[in-house]
Amino acid sequence: IAGITQAPTSQILAAGRRMTLRCTQDMRHNAMYWYRQDLGLGLRLIHYSNTAGTTGKGEVPDGYSVSRANTDDFPLTLASAVPSQTSVYFCASSGTGHTDTQYFGPGTRLTVL
Amino acid sequence: GQNIDQPTEMTATEGAIVQINCTYQTSGFNGLFWYQQHAGEAPTFLSYNVLDGLEEKGRFSSFLSRSKGYSYLLLKELQMKDSASYLCAVIDSNYQLIWGAGTKLIIKP
Repeated sequence: IAGITQAPTSQILAAGRRMTLRCTQDMRHNAMYWYRQDLGLGLRLIHYSNTAGTTGKGEVPDGYSVSRANTDDFPLTLASAVPSQTSVYFCASSGTGHTDTQYFGPGTRLTVL
Repeated sequence: GQNIDQPTEMTATEGAIVQINCTYQTSGFNGLFWYQQHAGEAPTFLSYNVLDGLEEKGRFSSFLSRSKGYSYLLLKELQMKDSASYLCAVIDSNYQLIWGAGTKLIIKP
C-alpha cells in the first residue's frame, strides 16, 4: 500500500441498505477525514478524526457514522442509505499540525437507488 | 457565514497564461490551499500560502493578500494536461478547511 486506499471504487446500493466505505492509509498520519463531493458544490466534510480513538462531526454528518480504532483505518458507515447520499466520497489524511496538507484517496462513487 | 468564491469555468489556449481568482470571507484565517483535480480523480496538492505575497513553483504560482481576502493561482505555458478543476480552500479560525466549489479550466489547442 502506498498512500491512501479506498474500497470499493464504486457501488450501486438500494435505498435502506447499510453500507461501509473503507479507507486505509500507510503514512502514519494522525488526522483523517471523510468528504463528499457533489456537482457544483465544494468538498463537504462529513466526519473527521484528529487521532486514533477520537472522532468529530463535520458540516454534513447526518446519516453517517465513523470509527477510528487504529491509526491506519477510518471506515464510513451509512446505516440506512437514501438517494440523497448518492455522491463521490473521498477519504483524506494529514499530519498532526492543523495546517498540514491533506492527501486524498482515489474516491468511492456511490449511487443509491 | 463562511464563503469562498471562484469562477465556475475558464477557457484558455495552450501555451498561454491563465489566472484563477479566489476570494474568501471566513471566520479567521490560518492559511490557503490550492488543489488540482482531474476529472474522475482525487484532488492533489498544488500550493499553500499563509503570508502575503507570491509563491512560485515551476509553471504554477500562487498569490495571497490577507487584507483583501484574495488569492490567485497563475498557470504559465499552459499544457493540455492542465485541463482540470482547481480548488481553493481556506483554514478558518477553528482550523477547519473550507472549500470553494472549484474552477473548471478548459485548455484549447
